[in-house]
Amino acid sequence: GNSVTQMEGPVTLSEEAFLTINCTYTATGYPSLFWYVQYPGEGLQLLLKATKADDKGSNKGFEATYRKETTSFHLEKGSVQVSDSAVYFCALGYSTLTFGKGTMLLVSP
Amino acid sequence: GAGVSQSPSNKVTEKGKDVELRCDPISGHTALYWYRQRLGQGLEFLIYFQGNSAPDKSGLPSDRFSAERTGESVSTLTIQRTQQEDSAVYLCASSLDGGDGTQYFGPGTRLLVL
Repeated sequence: GNSVTQMEGPVTLSEEAFLTINCTYTATGYPSLFWYVQYPGEGLQLLLKATKADDKGSNKGFEATYRKETTSFHLEKGSVQVSDSAVYFCALGYSTLTFGKGTMLLVSP
Repeated sequence: GAGVSQSPSNKVTEKGKDVELRCDPISGHTALYWYRQRLGQGLEFLIYFQGNSAPDKSGLPSDRFSAERTGESVSTLTIQRTQQEDSAVYLCASSLDGGDGTQYFGPGTRLLVL
């Protein structure tokens, strides 16, 4: 079956640092890949997605590239802000989604 | 416009009791999903409704769990004879037309079974 593995958190960074959150997956076929984010006190919301191999999803300075050869979809941002502090979930699917356990990011000033 | 809403936001119940959780999707969204998130775990898919098609119930963990949806609107998730391991946050999401379209999540119902 499908599964998603994310790096465990929390990830603690200083403002303006470079961010990578690793995500690897196993899947049948070629599902779409997603990053969802949950800010403190808010609901889960889509951050970015990619629907086929080599696609790059991007939003709010975050990027992730669908790598079929390494079955990965790592999330990156060049310069994080305090407001990026949240829990990030990697997910895959065609309609119903399979989620990773989430990675908490804490950014300090 | 209004997002996905869920009620109640919190529910505490005793083991063995039945509970009903409600989800109001975004108006016009044909697809509706239920997930649950247990402490320290990722979200687990429970059930998926798409238009008038038979629901995908493949994620329901036991026959104590059931869900209904009225047309393309409100959905109710029912847990009968609750157990302590049912304690979790139950999340509802909707999307415009299923597929790999963006799912919009509600704030969740936090269920605690004592």
